[in-house]
Amino acid sequence: DSGVTQTPKHLITATGQRVTLRCSPRSGDLSVYWYQQSLDQGLQFLIQYYNGEERAKGNILERFSAQQFPDLHSELNLSSLELGDSALYFCASSEDLGETQYFGPGTRLLVL
Amino acid sequence: AQKITQTQPGMFVQEKEAVTLDCTYDTSDPSYGLFWYKQPSSGEMIFLIYQGSYDQQNATEGRYSLNFQKARKSANLVISASQLGDSAMYFCAMRAGRLAFGKGNQVVVIP
Repeated sequence: DSGVTQTPKHLITATGQRVTLRCSPRSGDLSVYWYQQSLDQGLQFLIQYYNGEERAKGNILERFSAQQFPDLHSELNLSSLELGDSALYFCASSEDLGETQYFGPGTRLLVL
Repeated sequence: AQKITQTQPGMFVQEKEAVTLDCTYDTSDPSYGLFWYKQPSSGEMIFLIYQGSYDQQNATEGRYSLNFQKARKSANLVISASQLGDSAMYFCAMRAGRLAFGKGNQVVVIP
C-alpha cells in the first residue's frame, strides 16, 4: 500500500458525460501528479500540482481539468467524455518536487 | 526531450533464477533520476528502485538492483531469485523535469 488513495476504483459512464476522479496523497506529500494509462498510448503524464498550485502540464486535453485543494487532495475532472478516454487513471504523490512518486491504485474508467 | 526505450519482448523466467530487464534512455539534462516500477495484473504501480545520475554506486533494494551505465545511457533492472509474485509489467522511468515512462517489459515467472 503506497499510502495514496484514489476513488472510485471503477467508473463506467457514457459518451458526453462528465466524471470526477479523486485522489488523496500520502501524508505529508505536497505534490500530486495525474497520469493516464491506455494500451495504445502507454503511461502519459497529464498534470502536476504542488501545494495547491499547478506546476506542470503534460498531454492533458482541454476537456480535462484538475485542481488541488487546501487539504492537498486533488480532483481530475473529465468532461464531454469520448470512447477513447477509457483508460486507467493514476494519481501519484511525492514529498517535494523531484522526489520519488508513489502511485495510487488507479481508477479504471470505461466510456460506453 | 526525454526518451525511454524498453524493447525486450515478454519474458518467461524460471522461479529462483535472476532476470535482467533492459532500459536505455536519452536526455540532454545532466541531472536526472531513473526509476523502475512494477505493475502486476491487479493494476497498481509499485515503486521499486531509484538511481540518481550523479550516484556513484548502483542502487540496490532487496532483490532488486539497478545496473547503471551512464556512458551507455542504460539503467537495467536485475531481479535476483525470481518469485512467482514477480510476474508483472516492469516500467523504466526517467525524471529530468517530469517523469517519462518506457513501454514496459512483461515478465512471467514459472515454477
